[in-house]
Amino acid sequence: ETGVTQSPTHLIKTRGQQVTLRCSSQSGHNTVSWYQQALGQGPQFIFQYYREEKNGRGNFPPRFSGLQFPNYSSELNVNALELDDSALYLCASSAGLAGSEQYFGPGTRLTVT
Amino acid sequence: KNEVEQSPQNLTAQEGEFITINCSYSVGISALHWLQQHPGGGIVSLFMLSSGKKKHGRLIATINIQEKHSSLHITASHPRDSAVYICAVRSGGTGNQFYFGTGTSLTVIP
Repeated sequence: ETGVTQSPTHLIKTRGQQVTLRCSSQSGHNTVSWYQQALGQGPQFIFQYYREEKNGRGNFPPRFSGLQFPNYSSELNVNALELDDSALYLCASSAGLAGSEQYFGPGTRLTVT
Repeated sequence: KNEVEQSPQNLTAQEGEFITINCSYSVGISALHWLQQHPGGGIVSLFMLSSGKKKHGRLIATINIQEKHSSLHITASHPRDSAVYICAVRSGGTGNQFYFGTGTSLTVIP
């Protein structure tokens, strides 16, 4: 059973650019959640996908968008990058919604210059 | 005010000490998670609670739904327990929001 994987591990982008981060969920999991963790802060919930449908969203602007594929892997897209978008982006997968434990990936460290 | 508050923010303990980290939340929840994050970012889920108490090895987590409070206890602490411990809650109802505390940074000294 493979765990949650994320790619890339690190990424440097310039302000105004667009970025796509990827997450492969753990085998058997149909739910993926994305989080942003700024340095020294706790994670902030971006959104969750359940069986390819968005199932909740945090307080992030529309330039943060996502997608979940039929194999339940997921992408996080961020347009018009800002310096404050520099953070660790974490995804977590779970087998279902309420009452399901989340398994976190190692994260993607995004630096916007 | 954050929906999830943790205390203390930083904690230093001697090896072998009993450690308690507290979490208070202000929203209705369907579940509360305790997470462990090591330097470099990797997060491990330690517990998911909706009531009562859970125990894994030297770790114990309790939750009091009426008081909206949870505690994470570490017995016989060890330097390898040094990490950031994060409390997170999943809101109840259809909103499906997750709220995180800012974490408690624990250092256990040999």
